[in-house]
Amino acid sequence: DGGITQSPKYLFRKEGQNVTLSCEQNLNHDAMYWYRQDPGQGLRLIYYSQIVNDFQKGDIAEGYSVSREKKESFPLTVTSAQKNPTAFYLCASSIALSRGGTEAFFGQGTRLTVV
Amino acid sequence: QKEVEQDPGPLSVPEGAIVSLNCTYSNSAFQYFMWYRQYSRKGPELLMYTYSSGNKEDGRFTAQVDKSSKYISLFIRDSQPSDSATYLCAMNQAGTALIFGKGTTLSVSS
Repeated sequence: DGGITQSPKYLFRKEGQNVTLSCEQNLNHDAMYWYRQDPGQGLRLIYYSQIVNDFQKGDIAEGYSVSREKKESFPLTVTSAQKNPTAFYLCASSIALSRGGTEAFFGQGTRLTVV
Repeated sequence: QKEVEQDPGPLSVPEGAIVSLNCTYSNSAFQYFMWYRQYSRKGPELLMYTYSSGNKEDGRFTAQVDKSSKYISLFIRDSQPSDSATYLCAMNQAGTALIFGKGTTLSVSS
């Protein structure tokens, strides 16, 4: 099955810890994205990557970090500097942005809770 | 002014009603417009994709884009309880990531 796989589905973090959310796609898409969703806030862009070894900050990048070492993978690390990390995190992918405003396909999300 | 505005609702309708969902935007450079449906605790799924102005129909769903007014709409005909979800508009221009509205929560009662 082609698609985007996020893991884990639920994640609990203690105060002061870094945690990494996994995102893997087998759609052969060039571009990948991380969004955060809070109640009543819609989806807000954290980071996106258009090619391997390159990524750009979105609107709310502070307290997060990413890497793109492989085309298929785009992990997100929520660092201890992120003051309010409890949220629903969504990973998405699309064909290259340079080819037009293409639709993005989403994974099923990771719900992160700080305990 | 936010780039994309969407009334969060909630919107409650009886089964069989016609539903109208709307978004406004401020960036006249946006060319690509999408509607996503999101069920509770799930990832969004793409419903409709439209380039520039005009209408697009897919079954019970119709998407409209009016670039002169910076206004997009999604119409759902003969709404069903299974249509109960949050609907998110999204848009962008070539080379940029999607910008989303806040989503409208729809409830269709049988």
